[in-house]
Order: sequence, then structure tokens, then C-alpha cells
Amino acid sequence: AQSVSQHNHHVILSEAASLELGCNYSYGGTVNLFWYVQYPGQHLQLLLKYFSGDPLVKGIKGFEAEFIKSKFSFNLRKPSVQWSDTAEYFCAVSPNDYKLSFGAGTTVTVRA
Amino acid sequence: DGGITQSPKYLFRKEGQNVTLSCEQNLNHDAMYWYRQDPGQGLRLIYYSQIVNDFQKGDIAEGYSVSREKKESFPLTVTSAQKNPTAFYLCASTYTGELFFGEGSRLTVL
Repeated sequence: AQSVSQHNHHVILSEAASLELGCNYSYGGTVNLFWYVQYPGQHLQLLLKYFSGDPLVKGIKGFEAEFIKSKFSFNLRKPSVQWSDTAEYFCAVSPNDYKLSFGAGTTVTVRA
Repeated sequence: DGGITQSPKYLFRKEGQNVTLSCEQNLNHDAMYWYRQDPGQGLRLIYYSQIVNDFQKGDIAEGYSVSREKKESFPLTVTSAQKNPTAFYLCASTYTGELFFGEGSRLTVL
């Protein structure tokens, strides 16, 4: 069974729309949380990460994510998407210092 | 420049043959990882290594083997026991938790 669940397989939206991608994990205890993005034909790159502290994390390109410990969730948000945000987004969770598991990914298509 | 080098980029093998994928990093990272990326399934962890001479199974280790004799190197062997070896394989390393990825190796078993 997948330890990291991403709820949406494919999201299609128009430019300027708001985006929220869900991520839930099944590990107990302390976790480190990440969102990665893979633009077409490119490597995975880190959008943002959460280790501790403020549960609202700001990343690059206007993305943010909120860690809700009680819900085992780390949802990614962007208030207003652009065509260039078309990509595949992956949530990743590390239940200890080294093991890092990814979700199945969400493909986001932004229509101009 | 510092980075992760995977080779070969493309590899074709006959069914039943073992194949070894190379991963070398000059980032001085302690931890290294192997993932398999398949459409619709994201990245699935095969093996990871925290330090030299130590490694742990990931979520889909069956049919794979690794070694970590040097800090810089973490080769992956896809054995004939792997039932569906055709895939895109990614190597990564980390020091702070953020993963740095290689360019990947695409293995096709004929």
C-alpha cells in the first residue's frame, strides 16, 4: 500500500485559477515533508520543504504548503496559476532521517 | 561542477540478463537513493544508503541489489528475478534532506 497518497491524478485548470493539491501520509511520529515538481522534459526540483516550526511553508514560484499534523496532511497551494505551472507535482515524506518515499504524483495542466 | 552522474543513459537487455546501472556523485553526500519512475506511479524507492557499507531496502527492493563500497558510488543491479524491469531509474543523493537527482537511466528489456 502507498505510504504517501496524492488525491488527484490529473488536474486541469485555467490561468489565474487557484490550485490546491492534496497529500496525506501514513507514517506516525516525526516526519520531514517535501513537494517536488517536474516540468516537461526536466529533472525533479524542490518546490518547498518542512522540517519543523511554522506549519505554513513558502516555497519557490509562489507556492506554499500547510502541514496539518492531526490530519497527516501536507497540501500544496498556489493562489493564481500560470501556464508555466503545467507540470507533474510529487509529495514526498521522510519518516526518519533518510528513508524518503514519494506519492504517485499529480499532473497539472494549466490552460492559457 | 558538482553533481550526480548516471550511466548509461539508455540500455537495452535481453530477458534473463542481469544489468548494472552506475551512479556516481561528487557532492560529498552521505545518503544515496535509487528510485524507479513509472507513469502514473510516481517514484518508488528501491534501495537507499545512509553511509558507506550500509544500505536498506526501500518499498520495491525485490529483484534488485546494490552495494555501497565507496561514498561516491551506489550501483544498482537489476537481476533476472525482477519481473518487470523495463523502467526509468533515478539515482539521488542528499545531505540536508533535499534530494539531488541524476539524469536517469532508461532500461528496456526485450
